[in-house]
Amino acid sequence: DAGVIQSPRHEVTEMGQEVTLRCKPISGHNSLFWYRQTMMRGLELLIYFNNNVPIDDSGMPEDRFSAKMPNASFSTLKIQPSEPRDSAVYFCASSLGGQIGELFFGEGSRLTVL
Amino acid sequence: DAKTTQPNSMESNEEEPVHLPCNHSTISGTDYIHWYRQLPSQGPEYVIHGLTSNVNNRMASLAIAEDRKSSTLILHRATLRDAAVYYCILRVQGGGADGLTFGKGTHLIIQP
Repeated sequence: DAGVIQSPRHEVTEMGQEVTLRCKPISGHNSLFWYRQTMMRGLELLIYFNNNVPIDDSGMPEDRFSAKMPNASFSTLKIQPSEPRDSAVYFCASSLGGQIGELFFGEGSRLTVL
Repeated sequence: DAKTTQPNSMESNEEEPVHLPCNHSTISGTDYIHWYRQLPSQGPEYVIHGLTSNVNNRMASLAIAEDRKSSTLILHRATLRDAAVYYCILRVQGGGADGLTFGKGTHLIIQP
C-alpha cells in the first residue's frame, strides 16, 4: 500500500516567491497533519485537519502560511511570500484518529529559500 | 501538556540490548506513552505505545514503571539500522485525532 505521498521532495526558490507543498494522505485516514523540522526548533506541528476541517492552526508561524484540504485525498501548504527563515523540511502525516491515532509520516519536502 | 525528559544522546554497540529512558513525572491517569523514531533523512515512524502494562511488538518492548512516572524503550538486539532519534511522547486517552508534540528526543548511536 502507498504511504503518505509528498511533493516536491526538494524545492529551491528565491525569497519572495510562492511555495506550494502537496500531500496525499493514506486512503481512509481522516486526520492530516503538517509539521516543520529545523535543527534549531526540531519538529513543530503547524496545523492539523480532521475530516478535511482545520482543527488547530495555532502552530502556523504567520499569515504568510496557509493550508487547505479540499478533499480527503489532498492537502496543500502554501507559503507566500517565502523567506530564508522558512527553509526547513516539511512533513505531512495522516492517521485514522480514534483512541490511539498512530501517525504515518511522508518522506518530507525539503525547502530551501535563498 | 505533560512533558517528557529524555537524554540527548546514547551510544550502544551493535547486537547488544539498548534501554532508552524517559521521565514523565507529571503524567496523568489518562495519558498514553507513545514512542516514535526518526531514521536519518526520513519522517518519524511509530514504534510502540502503552498505558500501564509492559508492551511488546516486533520492533521493541516498552517497560512502564509502576507509578507511571517513567518508562523505558527496549531494543533487544540493536542493529546499525536502529540508529535514529527516539521520541517519547504523552498523548491523552482518546486524543488519537490530535497532533503529537515532539520534544528533542534521544539520538541513539550504534557502534559496529
